Amino acid sequence: AQTVTQSQPEMSVQEAETVTLSCTYDTSESDYYLFWYKQPPSRQMILVIRQEAYKQQNATENRFSVNFQKAAKSFSLKISDSQLGDAAMYFCGPPQGAQKLVFGQGTRLTINP
Amino acid sequence: NAGVTQTPKFRILKIGQSMTLQCTQDMNHNYMYWYRQDPGMGLKLIYYSVGAGITDKGEVPNGYNVSRSTTEDFPLRLELAAPSQTSVYFCASGSGTGGHEQFFGPGTRLTVL
Repeated sequence: AQTVTQSQPEMSVQEAETVTLSCTYDTSESDYYLFWYKQPPSRQMILVIRQEAYKQQNATENRFSVNFQKAAKSFSLKISDSQLGDAAMYFCGPPQGAQKLVFGQGTRLTINP
Repeated sequence: NAGVTQTPKFRILKIGQSMTLQCTQDMNHNYMYWYRQDPGMGLKLIYYSVGAGITDKGEVPNGYNVSRSTTEDFPLRLELAAPSQTSVYFCASGSGTGGHEQFFGPGTRLTVL
């Protein structure tokens, strides 16, 4: 079975500081993508960043970057210069097969002003 | 461009009642999904479809049915509602390419009393 583990149910960070959210996964796929989604209080799921597993270079989207360790099956999300609008639930997930996403249980991120 | 729309936004059902959650996407995506999100938890896949006329079970299909007669629509049917089905339901769609990014609807909050 494909599994995704987010070991930090809650995290908090001071505004403008950097925070890292952890994710480990298990997949039998040889080629796959990894995702981080954000769910603010509005409940809308929003794609934050995507990583292609066969690419060695870590993905970056503005203040968001990942640390992808394929051998360790680790996929952490780093948020730099945290802003109040970053407060949300963050979900990590790899694809399961060619059609499905399996999500972790989420990390609730709080930004302290 | 509406993206993924879901109706209704909220619904309260009595035990044993039935209802259909509607989902429509206007992005011509072949892949569509239904997830449920219990309070404080991640998303669990109920059913998915890779095209009109093709559906398959996800992690938690019991108590639900789906159909996919058109590319645009993917309704979720609840038969004999139970309190365990109290949850927020998300519909999503994707092209099946580009790492299978999924675009989510705003969700339907369902309470079964």
